[in-house]
Amino acid sequence: AQSVTQLGSHVSVSEGALVLLRCNYSSSVPPYLFWYVQYPNQGLQLLLKYTTGATLVKGINGFEAEFKKSETSFHLTKPSAHMSDAAEYFCAVRSSPGGTSYGKLTFGQGTILTVHP
Amino acid sequence: GAGVSQSPRYKVAKRGQDVALRCDPISGHVSLFWYQQALGQGPEFLTYFQNEAQLDKSGLPSDRFFAERPEGSVSTLKIQRTQQEDSAVYLCASSLGRINTIYFGEGSWLTVV
Repeated sequence: AQSVTQLGSHVSVSEGALVLLRCNYSSSVPPYLFWYVQYPNQGLQLLLKYTTGATLVKGINGFEAEFKKSETSFHLTKPSAHMSDAAEYFCAVRSSPGGTSYGKLTFGQGTILTVHP
Repeated sequence: GAGVSQSPRYKVAKRGQDVALRCDPISGHVSLFWYQQALGQGPEFLTYFQNEAQLDKSGLPSDRFFAERPEGSVSTLKIQRTQQEDSAVYLCASSLGRINTIYFGEGSWLTVV
């Protein structure tokens, strides 16, 4: 079974400040990990993903995340927040496809990011 | 098409009405998923298709929910006798295969009054 916990349903930062959105996962098999962003009244857009290899992954819009197996974490960061980053962010885990697994995504509850001028 | 397309974007249904939500996946994508996203929540898995075969429907909340993908491309999610608790955004997603990136549509917003 898989699960995702996002710590903090709301995060507020000032423009130019560091963004840190926390995600912890539970998976019985090596996971694939994802961050998606959702703007108001829109669908989910992939920010970045970790499958295998380098544990620090870079995504779009200056975001990056680091897979830490020992901490079962995949926190999302951005050095300097921009007003356009205001949105809801979802962390998701996907079991490595293989055998009977088709790689279903399981999402966290989401974190709403607010950016103040 | 260029992306996953869903219709209608917005639907208001009276309680007890039947609704049908359509999903056009990205051309050639084998895998298709339906998710339900209630207000303030993360998306919850409903069902999965591989081509025309519905391999997992464990997330469908009741027998009022039915999904099909008869020719392995377009999919329809049908909700019979809608209830207020069915109000949510229904997201469709597709991917080329099991290991490929999953792409989401913009969702169908259902409000049951």
